[in-house]
Amino acid sequence: DTGVSQDPRHKITKRGQNVTFRCDPISEHNRLYWYRQTLGQGPEFLTYFQNEAQLEKSRLLSDRFSAERPKGSFSTLEIQRTEQGDSAMYLCASSLGGVLDTQYFGPGTRLTVL
Amino acid sequence: AQSVTQPDIHITVSEGASLELRCNYSYGATPYLFWYVQSPGQGLQLLLKYFSGDTLVQGIKGFEAEFKRSQSSFNLRKPSVHWSDAAEYFCAVGAENTDKLIFGTGTRLQVFP
Repeated sequence: DTGVSQDPRHKITKRGQNVTFRCDPISEHNRLYWYRQTLGQGPEFLTYFQNEAQLEKSRLLSDRFSAERPKGSFSTLEIQRTEQGDSAMYLCASSLGGVLDTQYFGPGTRLTVL
Repeated sequence: AQSVTQPDIHITVSEGASLELRCNYSYGATPYLFWYVQSPGQGLQLLLKYFSGDTLVQGIKGFEAEFKRSQSSFNLRKPSVHWSDAAEYFCAVGAENTDKLIFGTGTRLQVFP
């Protein structure tokens, strides 16, 4: 069990650029979650997958955001045409099953949009 | 809709003192309740969770929490705080029809020697 890993850990970009983040869950965890955390706030749910199927998306996830988990293993979160309001910590978590199972969080990717 | 309120933004205690962090939730049915801790530069770590049964839940690092349905609360307690407990603490609620967690805004704990 190597834990949930996220890459990159930090990303600085200019407004209008596209960025992509990667999350590698704990192996054999079929649930994978994305949350966003801004300064002074708790994590806010964005979306989650069961294997490769995206089961739920938050209204926070505008059309500029897209997430994939093509083979049911790692996941990517892409933000197109970034805005300053996208600056946040993007957290990934995985779990073996549903809400009754512990969600294990990665260290996050901190995005700064200039 | 589910929601979580953590009324205390920042709490300061002396090492060795007892600790209670407050959490109130809003949910129509029996909630699934969680406490997570976030240390600087580290990911969120689950301290404990409540689904059903005994309303006093024991967790890791000497923490416990009590579910009180009548008060819609799930407060986190520790009898004697250590300097290493300084961190941000988040209460979260889940539900049967979704796997997502709804987090509170967090309480930052500062521990003085």
